[in-house]
Amino acid sequence: DGGITQSPKYLFRKEGQNVTLSCEQNLNHDAMYWYRQDPGQGLRLIYYSQIVNDFQKGDIAEGYSVSREKKESFPLTVTSAQKNPTAFYLCASSIGGRGLGNTIYFGEGSWLTVV
Amino acid sequence: AQKVTQAQTEISVVEKEDVTLDCVYETRDTTYYLFWYKQPPSGELVFLIRRNSFDEQNEISGRYSWNFQKSTSSFNFTITASQVVDSAVYFCALAPTMDSSYKLIFGSGTRLLVRP
Repeated sequence: DGGITQSPKYLFRKEGQNVTLSCEQNLNHDAMYWYRQDPGQGLRLIYYSQIVNDFQKGDIAEGYSVSREKKESFPLTVTSAQKNPTAFYLCASSIGGRGLGNTIYFGEGSWLTVV
Repeated sequence: AQKVTQAQTEISVVEKEDVTLDCVYETRDTTYYLFWYKQPPSGELVFLIRRNSFDEQNEISGRYSWNFQKSTSSFNFTITASQVVDSAVYFCALAPTMDSSYKLIFGSGTRLLVRP
C-alpha cells in the first residue's frame, strides 16, 4: 500500500541523548515535511525538503536536524539542544514542484517522551 | 499576518445532531488554499478537503459539507447527523502561495466529541 511510514511509534529519550525518527514514503512525492504537535495545539513546521539533498528550516528548527539523501526518506534527529522535545512528531509529504497548494499527506506520527 | 483561528476548543454533541466547526483565516495573499484534516485518537491526520481561493462553491461529501466565504474569511465545516466515529480533533489549515515553502499554517484544532 502507498503511504508514509514513521517509526518508532513510541520513543523514550534520556536527557542529553540524540534520537532519530524515521520517515519513509512510497508515494513518489518530491516534498517532505516534519511537524511537531504539542497537546491541545496545532502543528508547527520543523523542517521541510522540496527535493533530494536540499532542505530548509521551518518555524521551530532549533535543536533539530534532518537529511534528505533519498527521495523516499526524510529522517529527523532530535538533538540534546532541543530543550523541550516531548511531543508528537508528524512526517508528511506532497507532490511538491511548482504546484503550490498541493495536498500534504501525513504519517501516523511518533510520540517522543524525555525521561 | 498569516493565521488560522479555530475559536471552538471543544464541542460535545449527541449522536445524530448536526455540528458546525468554525474556521477563520487571515492572509495577505490573493491566491491561497484551505484544508480540513481529521485527527482521530490514533494520531494520523486524515485529509478531508482542499479548496482554492477562487472557488467559493460550497461542497458536500456525504454527511460532510464545507462553506467557504471570502467576504468573512471563513471556511466552516458541517457534519450532518453526527456519529460516534466522527469523534476526533479537526484542524483547519491555510497554504499561502506567496510563501514558497508549501507549508501549511494550522489552527489549534477543535475537539469534537459525539456521544451515543
